[in-house]
Amino acid sequence: GQQVMQIPQYQHVQEGEDFTTYCNSSTTLSNIQWYKQRPGGHPVFLIQLVKSGEVKKQKRLTFQFGEAKKNSSLHITATQTTDVGTYFCAGHYGGSQGNLIFGKGTKLSVKP
Amino acid sequence: KAGVTQTPRYLIKTRGQQVTLSCSPISGHRSVSWYQQTPGQGLQFLFEYFSETQRNKGNFPGRFSGRQFSNSRSEMNVSTLELGDSALYLCASRPGQVRNEQFFGPGTRLTVL
Repeated sequence: GQQVMQIPQYQHVQEGEDFTTYCNSSTTLSNIQWYKQRPGGHPVFLIQLVKSGEVKKQKRLTFQFGEAKKNSSLHITATQTTDVGTYFCAGHYGGSQGNLIFGKGTKLSVKP
Repeated sequence: KAGVTQTPRYLIKTRGQQVTLSCSPISGHRSVSWYQQTPGQGLQFLFEYFSETQRNKGNFPGRFSGRQFSNSRSEMNVSTLELGDSALYLCASRPGQVRNEQFFGPGTRLTVL
């Protein structure tokens, strides 16, 4: 079935270092969304990418959607302790209006 | 606007019992989706309801069922509970069927003993 692979599973960084998480699908995605879940919290929507090759920025966060719409990445520049949490990508496939397929997530810890 | 609310927040049941979880979406949101979150499997889609109709269903056994009411509130039911059903059950709402962001509730933590 449709599956979104996300790596790495865990990432430990020193505050100020950069962080990147990657998502990959074997089949073309209609769009991809990114969510952040703080420890003990629930997923919170960050962004949606729809177009091939799309790049969007939110302050220190940069989101990319691959040219083939099969992969995506989230890059955080100069991490802060407030960035701690699990970052999930979630993909929509053609024809599925509500069925989001989530990656397993990347758990980010930041050492001050 | 108030966010998505879920009740109860915590629940402890024993094997073989059944459970009903409730979700109230953001006012005006007509789509409600349910997810199961576990450390091993991550976030898995259960089903989505829109205007009282089930639109999509994930790969879960028939013991998992749901419904949506005319006011968009939704319930999910799990019958004949198994130990493996212990999880955080998340409800998410969105305004319509367009592929836009989902607003998640705080979840119901179900423990099956």
